[in-house]
Amino acid sequence: SQQGEEDPQALSIQEGENATMNCSYKTSINNLQWYRQNSGRGLVHLILIRSNEREKHSGRLRVTLDTSKKSSSLLITASRAADTASYFCATDVSNFGNEKLTFGTGTRLTIIP
Amino acid sequence: ETGVTQTPRHLVMGMTNKKSLKCEQHLGHNAMYWYKQSAKKPLELMFVYSLEERVENNSVPSRFSPECPNSSHLFLHLHTLQPEDSALYLCASSHGQGGTEAFFGQGTRLTVV
Repeated sequence: SQQGEEDPQALSIQEGENATMNCSYKTSINNLQWYRQNSGRGLVHLILIRSNEREKHSGRLRVTLDTSKKSSSLLITASRAADTASYFCATDVSNFGNEKLTFGTGTRLTIIP
Repeated sequence: ETGVTQTPRHLVMGMTNKKSLKCEQHLGHNAMYWYKQSAKKPLELMFVYSLEERVENNSVPSRFSPECPNSSHLFLHLHTLQPEDSALYLCASSHGQGGTEAFFGQGTRLTVV
């Protein structure tokens, strides 16, 4: 069954504004990851936050994790047209050995120039 | 780009054809994965290989047959597919030690006619 679920499904904002996407999941996790996908192409890893972390930054990206609420958010500040893409959260429930990533259906972000 | 290369990028095949998808990585990763991405559905994990051994098969129909001859190469052999198998097939690799990111290829857009 689907582990991560992104909200909203689609988001359109003006260039320069901030974009916030949310992810909810159901079971305990080891880490949560955010990926980006340009139309019809492969996924690109953005950021990983471990279950014992609450917030992480990478450039214009800020990710939060609330394990008590089983939710995470991805904030993209000062958005650019090039940020237009689909964004997915993926939960990793592996204890050791291979990563076992379960993805949601994604948020389609459109940045309007 | 990500270090994971998939060929071909596009494939159209009839339901009676046999074809193979290829994935190659030279990142020194030990784990390789096949995912299926259909429209408006979450990414579905199909197969996981760790050190060339299949460690997971998520109830995938036998018309999909994976092969991992070495840690750098992964194949997905296709035969007697159905139109509903049309999708974007994504290969990924990771260190396979848990808690790390996955690197994705650009995908093969498969259309079954």
